[in-house]
Order: sequence, then C-alpha cells, then structure tokens
Amino acid sequence: IVLTQSPGTLSLSPGDRATLSCKASQSVGNTYSAWYQQKPGQAPRLLIHSTSKRATGIPDRFSGSGSGTDSTLTITRLEPEDFAVYYCQLYGTSLTFGGGSKVEMK
Amino acid sequence: QANLVESGGGVVQPGGSLRLSCAASTFSFSSYTMHWVRQAPGKGPEWLAVISYDGGDRYYGDSVEGRFTVSRDNSKNVVYLQMDSLRGDDTAVYYCARGDVYYYYHYMDVWGKGTAVTVSS
Repeated sequence: IVLTQSPGTLSLSPGDRATLSCKASQSVGNTYSAWYQQKPGQAPRLLIHSTSKRATGIPDRFSGSGSGTDSTLTITRLEPEDFAVYYCQLYGTSLTFGGGSKVEMK
Repeated sequence: QANLVESGGGVVQPGGSLRLSCAASTFSFSSYTMHWVRQAPGKGPEWLAVISYDGGDRYYGDSVEGRFTVSRDNSKNVVYLQMDSLRGDDTAVYYCARGDVYYYYHYMDVWGKGTAVTVSS
C-alpha cells in the first residue's frame, strides 16, 4: 500500500486553516490512520490516532477525519509552532507512512 | 513521562554490521510492543520492525527482512536492532518507538530522538 500526501507544501499565515490530505493506493479493511508532526532535527510526534482521536496533550485545533482510502488532517487556526512537516500513517494490517506535507509560513 | 534513548549509530562500510540499542524508562517496558523506524534524509519515515512485549513475535518490513534482527531484554529495558549486510540506502536516522500493549501494526505514541547511521566507504 502506498500513501500519497497532498499538497507537498502548503504556504499559509498564522491564523489560517490548513487541510492536509492522505490517500491510500488501495482500500484495506480494518485499518486506521494516524498523523504525526515533525520539526527539523526532532522525532515525529503523534497528533492523531484511530483516524480522528487526538493524542494526549494535543490541542483541539488539530482534528482528523477519513473514510475508505482517504484521510484528512485539519488545523483550524495555525499557531507559529504548527509550521512543520506532517506525516500520515496507515496501520492495522500493515504499517505504512506517507511522504509528508510541509506547512510553511507565507 | 515515557522516555526512549537510542544509541549505537555511526559510520559503517557497505556490507558491514551495526547494532543499535534503545533504552526505555519511566513506563512498563515489558508490557509494550516496540518498533524500529528509520528516516532517510528528506524522506518520510519507514517502518522496519516490531517485537512483541515478550520477544516471542517479530515482524519486519520488506526492505530489511533477512538482514535486520530485532530483539529485546526486558530485564534491562532495552530493545536492539542488529543490522547486517548494510547498504548505502540504509543511511538514515533510526528511531525506536513504543507501540501497543497488544497489536503489532499500531501507531507509535512515544519516540526516541534517534541515532544516525551512515553507510559509506
């Protein structure tokens, strides 16, 4: 299974809404999506699991949704610390990561 | 707060071997599956291996099956990744990460800072 994330780069300003997409190459049952945030020189940080559940300590401006082969991460009001690279992951019957979407400051 | 610290990275020649370690603290290590994930420069993470809470089950990604071996020592709270027959495309930062108490193919909620491996002559 290949996960394709889009857009590759999103140029936005603080306070804007970010919508990131993740599409699986095929539909597989009993799978869920997770989303991670990664800043330069740091490890990935879990944001969302089970497609729509926020991880511990993650602010509610982050939300996840999805069905079938598509998953979406939405950041409702970008804070300066949210500019980073975001990766989706499919898990359940296998483990696959997407190639990432970068949210950069306009 | 759960903590993971990797060590053992470095520069190795093609065809060589390296063993990575990951020391866990501040959580019940022996209850969790543990993963190794790597990330090549400018690329997304790549899942490599998972080991069950007791070491009895191990699963690998296609790119490392037969070359890498994951193991753990619950008495020392450490998980290892033995890497053999290393190639240039194994160059990456290697992370250990905590999985689930039961499921193998699961999200990872705690990550170490990573250790860098460079395969070069």
